[in-house]
Amino acid sequence: KAGVTQTPRYLIKTRGQQVTLSCSPISGHRSVSWYQQTPGQGLQFLFEYFSETQRNKGNFPGRFSGRQFSNSRSEMNVSTLELGDSALYLCASSLAGMGETQYFGPGTRLLVL
Amino acid sequence: QKEVEQDPGPLSVPEGAIVSLNCTYSNSAFQYFMWYRQYSRKGPELLMYTYSSGNKEDGRFTAQVDKSSKYISLFIRDSQPSDSATYLCAIYPGGTSYGKLTFGQGTILTVHP
Repeated sequence: KAGVTQTPRYLIKTRGQQVTLSCSPISGHRSVSWYQQTPGQGLQFLFEYFSETQRNKGNFPGRFSGRQFSNSRSEMNVSTLELGDSALYLCASSLAGMGETQYFGPGTRLLVL
Repeated sequence: QKEVEQDPGPLSVPEGAIVSLNCTYSNSAFQYFMWYRQYSRKGPELLMYTYSSGNKEDGRFTAQVDKSSKYISLFIRDSQPSDSATYLCAIYPGGTSYGKLTFGQGTILTVHP
């Protein structure tokens, strides 16, 4: 079974731009969660989607948004990029997001200049 | 107070040593406990997953949960250089916290030959 895939793997953007990251979950998994990982803050939860609905959201500004498609693939968008948005963005999939194990993708490394 | 506290290390041990990694958490409502391993520039990989108190063993790895003292541990027996990585504890509270894992800061482990 293929694992979680994320594209692109690396991105360089400048302040003020926006960016869209993509995540394809493991086949059969309907829950996708997004996390931001930085050296200072560690792994922090952004939001979770299930059946195209956002069910949970972390403590991030509204510049961070996401969506999920009917095939469970998910995208997250960051608008008006700031230097502090430089991070590894990880997505994780699980069957239903109810405490069962989450499996992470390799991440997208975003550098904001 | 952070919800999950983890000693960041770094921890350096000789090959063959027994490694003990630990986390404490603050909310007694947490129900699910995970350990992830993350190699440099990779996504976290799930190692162990436990529910409630007790021990769980998988090969050289043993996860231990003590809910009375809000303490979780991961033991690695006969450590190998390939075990060198960052180890992250993660907790899922259950209920309507869909998809939201709370992570410790991670412990950097180096196993030298």
